Amino acid sequence: QSALTQPASVSGSPGQSITISCTGTSSDVGGYNFVSWYQQHPGKAPKLMIYEVSNRPSGVSNRFSGSKSGNTASLTISGLQAEDEADYYCSSYTSSSTWVFGGGTKVTVL
Amino acid sequence: QLQLQESGPGLVKPSETLSLTCTVSGGSIITSNYYWGWIRQPPGKGLEWIGNMHYGGSTYYNPSLKSRVTISVDTSKNQFSLKLTSVTAADTAVYYCVQETVDYTNYRYYYYGMDVWGQGTTVTVPS
Repeated sequence: QSALTQPASVSGSPGQSITISCTGTSSDVGGYNFVSWYQQHPGKAPKLMIYEVSNRPSGVSNRFSGSKSGNTASLTISGLQAEDEADYYCSSYTSSSTWVFGGGTKVTVL
Repeated sequence: QLQLQESGPGLVKPSETLSLTCTVSGGSIITSNYYWGWIRQPPGKGLEWIGNMHYGGSTYYNPSLKSRVTISVDTSKNQFSLKLTSVTAADTAVYYCVQETVDYTNYRYYYYGMDVWGQGTTVTVPS
């Protein structure tokens, strides 16, 4: 299985909105609404930010939102804050009953 | 609050078997709504899904690792384990154990994500 495609880096100024894309195929992202997003700060374990494309777990800021169109899922961070600087990974269920991650996107707050 | 803790050797020789255990505390591993899995992250690289299992016995593995991986559960100890055979330097990584929450209600399957992670344990395989 091939990794999902994410941009290597995205940057924005405090207060701005940024969007991270996650492109797969009809056998993963496009075929299921089981797309999740994870935030990882350096040296820390990843943290679940979004599940089932657009749902936020309890305690996750509503500045984080998710969506999907066709084979591409997206994570939007609005009102960008310094604490949002981290790596972000998407993940999707696949038609082989497995899971696949994206390559990761480094978010920089300018 | 459910917590996960990985344990195992930090150094494994090439061609040998990597064995890690994840201890579940604050909850039972015998829960129909949970899958238990392993994720790894090589130094400076992204996350790679290794596989997962349900206490009832179903297991799923990354096709690229399937021939070398076994995930099993010890319900008496509330632990689950990872075994990776014939390791090479390419298996050097931080290994995370995770809990995935699922549900099946009203003929619909719900997936709540990998919502609990261990802190991770570093395993080095020298070249």
